[in-house]
Amino acid sequence: EVQLVESGGGLVQPGGSLRLSCAASGFTFSSYAMNWVRQVPGKGLEWVSAISGSGGSTYYADSAKGRFTISRDNSKNTLYLQVKSLRAEDTAVYFCAKDSANWLRGTLDYWGQGTLVTVSS
Amino acid sequence: QSALTQPPSASGSPGQSVTISCTGTSSDVGGYNFVSWYQQHPGKAPKLMIYEVNKRPSGVPDRFSGSKSGNTASLTVSGLQAEDEADYYCSSYAGINNLGVFGGGTKLTVL
Repeated sequence: EVQLVESGGGLVQPGGSLRLSCAASGFTFSSYAMNWVRQVPGKGLEWVSAISGSGGSTYYADSAKGRFTISRDNSKNTLYLQVKSLRAEDTAVYFCAKDSANWLRGTLDYWGQGTLVTVSS
Repeated sequence: QSALTQPPSASGSPGQSVTISCTGTSSDVGGYNFVSWYQQHPGKAPKLMIYEVNKRPSGVPDRFSGSKSGNTASLTVSGLQAEDEADYYCSSYAGINNLGVFGGGTKLTVL
C-alpha cells in the first residue's frame, strides 16, 4: 500500500524557514517523480515544486523560485521542501504527491494528508 | 503558466448527470493528452479520479468519465450520488521543463 506522510509544518514568523518532509512507502521511491502542491485554506490547488525520480531535475512555480528548494533522499525514501523567507501568503496546507512516472508527467496518483504551514507574527 | 478555467460550481439531483469543463490553451490541455481530474472532500487530500483524459484508476466507479475537445477537457459524473458532492480539480501537463497547471476547482453539489 502506497503511503505518503508529511511532517515539518507549523507556525513560523514572516521571514522564517521550515523544512517539510514526506516519508514514502509501498513503492519504489526512486522510480517516480515527486511533487509538492499547496492549498490555501478554502482555496484551490497550486503546484509548488517537483523533482524527477533521480533528483537530477527540479521544477518550481514562480512563487517558489529562489525561496523554496526541493530535494529527495532515495536511500531514505523521503522527499523534502526547504522553505525560507516565508511570507503570509505562503500560509497553506502543503501536500506531497507521487507522480505516475519517473519524469514530470503530472498525473498525481497518490497524495499525503498534508502539513499545515502558518506564517504569522 | 495560467490556471485552467473551471466553473466555480455545478449541481445536479441524485441519479442525474453533470459535466464540468476545464479550459486551457494549446500549451497545456490542447497540446497533450495528460489531463487529470481530482476529487477532494472537505479536510481531505485530493484523489485521482481520471488521468490521461479518459482513463480511470482502479477503484474509481465507471460513473466518472473524461473527454477532451481542443483546449477544453470535461469530467462527466453520471448517476449522481450523495458521496459525489465534493470539489473537483482538473490539471494538465504543460510541457517539458514546466510544472503542471491546475484549474481553479468546481464545487459539485448534489441537490
